[in-house]
Amino acid sequence: DSGVTQTPKHLITATGQRVTLRCSPRSGDLSVYWYQQSLDQGLQFLIQYYNGEERAKGNILERFSAQQFPDLHSELNLSSLELGDSALYFCASSPQSGRSEQFFGPGTRLTVL
Amino acid sequence: SQQGEEDPQALSIQEGENATMNCSYKTSINNLQWYRQNSGRGLVHLILIRSNEREKHSGRLRVTLDTSKKSSSLLITASRAADTASYFCATDASGANSKLTFGKGITLSVRP
Repeated sequence: DSGVTQTPKHLITATGQRVTLRCSPRSGDLSVYWYQQSLDQGLQFLIQYYNGEERAKGNILERFSAQQFPDLHSELNLSSLELGDSALYFCASSPQSGRSEQFFGPGTRLTVL
Repeated sequence: SQQGEEDPQALSIQEGENATMNCSYKTSINNLQWYRQNSGRGLVHLILIRSNEREKHSGRLRVTLDTSKKSSSLLITASRAADTASYFCATDASGANSKLTFGKGITLSVRP
């Protein structure tokens, strides 16, 4: 158990809908990272927050947004969902911003029908 | 795009044998990390090697890093069936915006 929690574990929704994925980092970790894992694209970095502020951005679509709250939990919002958004979404946390190992949550499996 | 490229894509060995996995990358790095993922589950950090280190050990794991060749290898000695998983290398590139870039992974099967 990494200490990172993600909810929900599974999510099934329809195209065009909007969903919110939630992540609670390990106690004391200030950085939260979001990744998308799919069969064709592999593991892709989406976005990083450090102590409430966006720190790095990766291959995140404009339809996706994220934020980190004062209690350091983070949410990833996915809107206007398409079939291709079906994937595993992982959250990871680390004590600082980069330069160290990341602790991954169990993931949210999103299925868009 | 993937920075780390692992080799081979799949590896099948007998329990007790050693498994060697390779990773190549393209840009300058601060560190390189190896992670393990059991099917459909979260990634587990195995080992981190910094750009000024050449070799590191952790239990049955040995990692080497050759920055001149931009490559790393992960050796798992005396493999066990429980080592069956996907293994990813991830690079933490130099620069202000640090983020991990993962390779596509190596599927390791250890036959009992």
